[in-house]
Amino acid sequence: GAVVSQHPSRVICKSGTSVKIECRSLDFQATTMFWYRQFPKKSLMLMATSNEGSKATYEQGVEKDKFLINHASLTLSTLTVTSAHPEDSSFYICSARVPGSFKTYGYTFGSGTRLTVV
Amino acid sequence: DAKTTQPPSMDCAEGRAANLPCNHSTISGNEYVYWYRQIHSQGPQYIIHGLKNNETNEMASLIITEDRKSSTLILPHATLRDTAVYYCIVRGAGGTSYGKLTFGQGTILTVHP
Repeated sequence: GAVVSQHPSRVICKSGTSVKIECRSLDFQATTMFWYRQFPKKSLMLMATSNEGSKATYEQGVEKDKFLINHASLTLSTLTVTSAHPEDSSFYICSARVPGSFKTYGYTFGSGTRLTVV
Repeated sequence: DAKTTQPPSMDCAEGRAANLPCNHSTISGNEYVYWYRQIHSQGPQYIIHGLKNNETNEMASLIITEDRKSSTLILPHATLRDTAVYYCIVRGAGGTSYGKLTFGQGTILTVHP
């Protein structure tokens, strides 16, 4: 149980275009989701916290107009990288907090999206 | 956030126990310790978590010191598939850090034949 599906797994886009990444909780309702990015051989960096029905909370230094987050339902959060540039190329990973489970499980992660901007 | 400190890399022989240490000396009383691992180009995989007591599941054991300032993840019989980056994380318990998992640099565990 507690599976998060992330799509697409890989995407290549042209500089200046926008890319949308989806994160779905398959067998539970996720009121809170998190978005991370990871550069090669580096750790995960938290970008923002996504709460269903409200605005996302961004970490310091993350441009909210560049990385648009929408969490319109209890099973879907999306991250849109707007006007992408080569420096936005990275591995993006979503995570969902499994409700009522701090004693048992806690957080489950998607399989990640490799974004390459050319 | 309580920060964690882990050795950058460790080696382990296949079939032996792998003991991965983590220091979290600034942890507060209601902050949980989580362990995840990440195999190249995949999302992190949950291993185990705990608050005060030692925990065991089908994957590993978590030993937390009495003062909670450090912990050790134990993989009892390491296999080649356990080669990964292991992250020790303290879950934020208050303020703007509440509920967040902030990743440190992790330990690269290499299991060799």
